[in-house]
Amino acid sequence: DTAVSQTPKYLVTQMGNDKSIKCEQNLGHDTMYWYKQDSKKFLKIMFSYNNKELIINETVPNRFSPKSPDKAHLNLHINSLELGDSAVYFCASSLGGTGVTEAFFGQGTRLTVV
Amino acid sequence: AQSVTQLGSHVSVSEGALVLLRCNYSSSVPPYLFWYVQYPNQGLQLLLKYTSAATLVKGINGFEAEFKKSETSFHLTKPSAHMSDAAEYFCAVSELGNEKLTFGTGTRLTIIP
Repeated sequence: DTAVSQTPKYLVTQMGNDKSIKCEQNLGHDTMYWYKQDSKKFLKIMFSYNNKELIINETVPNRFSPKSPDKAHLNLHINSLELGDSAVYFCASSLGGTGVTEAFFGQGTRLTVV
Repeated sequence: AQSVTQLGSHVSVSEGALVLLRCNYSSSVPPYLFWYVQYPNQGLQLLLKYTSAATLVKGINGFEAEFKKSETSFHLTKPSAHMSDAAEYFCAVSELGNEKLTFGTGTRLTIIP
């Protein structure tokens, strides 16, 4: 059973399109995240949710809108895709509330905007 | 603000040799420190973590790391490298009240046969 699963694994789309990435965790964690990994492998947090509530929003363009329908799911919708949005997007989850952010990561979604 | 610096974006070692990947942190409060490994086209897997208990932490696949407060370091070591250790390694920090991981820029480990 996959702990953190995200779909799709690969996403190729044209500039200007709108796309969504879905994430689900079955670990019973309270906190979920979206991280972006750029072409140089640098990982940066985008958003964090705790029990469906937005906790962290790291100056991400408002074309990116996360949604958490329940604490096991965190989706990422991206409007008006740009070339610079091409990256690998990772969903992660952690227990939350302790500061020990031992995060479990999904396999990533490689987004390519053409 | 918390931050992590990984010295050496690329490290090459011979199979069987010592692996040493360097990580220095900056944190205004006692940090929690992590090492993650990323194999090609995969997600990140936790190798080990420091959570203010023992300063020498043992992880999976024979890796260990030592927390040194005086040096603000958390270097990752393995006595004998194996071909399967070739991957990207990330050091990360979190702290109480700041529920996120801040990552270093990563170190690509290459194993020479």
